[in-house]
Amino acid sequence: KQEVTQIPAALSVPEGENLVLNCSFTDSAIYNLQWFRQDPGKGLTSLLLIQSSQREQTSGRLNASLDKSSGRSTLYIAASQPGDSATYLCAVKDTGRRALTFGSGTRLQVQP
Amino acid sequence: DAEITQSPRHKITETGRQVTLACHQTWNHNNMFWYRQDLGHGLRLIHYSYGVHDTNKGEVSDGYSVSRSNTEDLPLTLESAASSQTSVYFCASSESGSGYSEQFFGPGTRLTVL
Repeated sequence: KQEVTQIPAALSVPEGENLVLNCSFTDSAIYNLQWFRQDPGKGLTSLLLIQSSQREQTSGRLNASLDKSSGRSTLYIAASQPGDSATYLCAVKDTGRRALTFGSGTRLQVQP
Repeated sequence: DAEITQSPRHKITETGRQVTLACHQTWNHNNMFWYRQDLGHGLRLIHYSYGVHDTNKGEVSDGYSVSRSNTEDLPLTLESAASSQTSVYFCASSESGSGYSEQFFGPGTRLTVL
């Protein structure tokens, strides 16, 4: 059974810092990995989708990498801003499934 | 723009009552999913559907049911609500026929069972 772990569970940084969020998964037989952002009391917003054949994806100040063989992904946020404060969720889609398996998330707070 | 809507956004009910949460998507996606989100457990899959008249159980399906009569809607029914079903419920959809497609989520329904 696939298990997804996100470390750290919470992170507080001053504005302007570059930061890395980590995601690990136990079964490397995946179609893709998605990073989501969730604001308090809100739904999930898809940030980046990395296919199993890709190494990284970029969108603005966000860069996600994937090392399928080692079961790891990182989300890099450059020049963090207070507006980046949210919970970031990592989810994988296993080969043969269409549903996602989620990590518990990293709660990020960027201090002005 | 295509979207997923959920209703109601907030619901308070009593133990033992039947409750139905609505999910409607305009993406024209064949795949639809229901997840629940609880502190300490993250999001967990309740039920899913790959098309009209297709439904399948997820990892936490006990006490829940779904039906799929058209492409756009996948209502989630709690047959007899229990306090353990107090949670935030999310509906999601994705394209069919591809394991590589992105999944999109609705805004969620916060359900409280007293």
